[in-house]
Amino acid sequence: EVQLVESGGGLVKPGGSLRISCAASGFTFSAFSMNWFRQAPGKGLEWVAFISSTSSFIHYTDSVKGRFTISRDNAKNSLYLEMNSLRVEDTAVYYCAKDDPFSGPYPKWFDSWGQGTQVTVSS
Amino acid sequence: QSVLTQPPSVSAAPGQKVTMSCSGSSSNIGSNFVSWYQQFPRTAPKLLIYDADKRPSGIPDRFSGSKSGTSATLDITGLQSGDEAVYFCATWDSSLQVVLFGGGTKVTVL
Repeated sequence: EVQLVESGGGLVKPGGSLRISCAASGFTFSAFSMNWFRQAPGKGLEWVAFISSTSSFIHYTDSVKGRFTISRDNAKNSLYLEMNSLRVEDTAVYYCAKDDPFSGPYPKWFDSWGQGTQVTVSS
Repeated sequence: QSVLTQPPSVSAAPGQKVTMSCSGSSSNIGSNFVSWYQQFPRTAPKLLIYDADKRPSGIPDRFSGSKSGTSATLDITGLQSGDEAVYFCATWDSSLQVVLFGGGTKVTVL
C-alpha cells in the first residue's frame, strides 16, 4: 500500500524558514516523480513544485521561485521542501503527492496523496 | 481567479446525474492531460479521473470524464449522499510551465 507521510510543519514568523518532509513507502520511490501542493484555509488547491525521479527536472509555481527548494533523497525514500523568506500568504496545509510513473519532464496526474502538514506563518 | 474555470456548485437529487465543466485554453487543457480530484472537508484530495477519461482502480464507473478541445467534463451518475464533496480539475500549462487547478465545484445532493 502506498503511504506518504508529511512532517515538519509548524508556526514560523514572517521571513523565517522551515523544511517539511514527506516519507514514502509501499512503492519504488526512486522511479516516480513527486510534487508538493498546498491549500490555504477555505481555498482551493495550489501546486507548488515538481521534481522528477532523478531530480533532472524541477518546476515551481511563480510565487515560490527563489524562496522554496524541492529536493529528494531516493536512498531514504524521502521528499523535501525547504521554505525560506516565508510570507503570511504561504500559510496552508502542504501535501506531497506521487506522480504518474511516466511523467517525464513535467507533472501529469497525482495518484496518491499524503495527509498534509500545517504551515502557519504569523508574527 | 483560476485559469481553469469550473462552476462553483452543482446539485441534484439522489440517483440523478450531475455534470461539471472545466474550461481552459489551448496551452493547458487543449494540449495536456486532464485529471479530476474529489476532496472532502479536512482530507487530502483523491484522484478520480486521469488522462481525461480513465479511472484508477477502485473508482466506480459512476464517475466518468471526457475532453473536447479546451474543455473537460466530469459526470457523476447515480448520485449518492456520499458524493457530496468538492471536485477539482487539473492540468499542466505548457506556456506558464505550471500545474493549474480549477476553483473547484461543490456537489450537493438534494
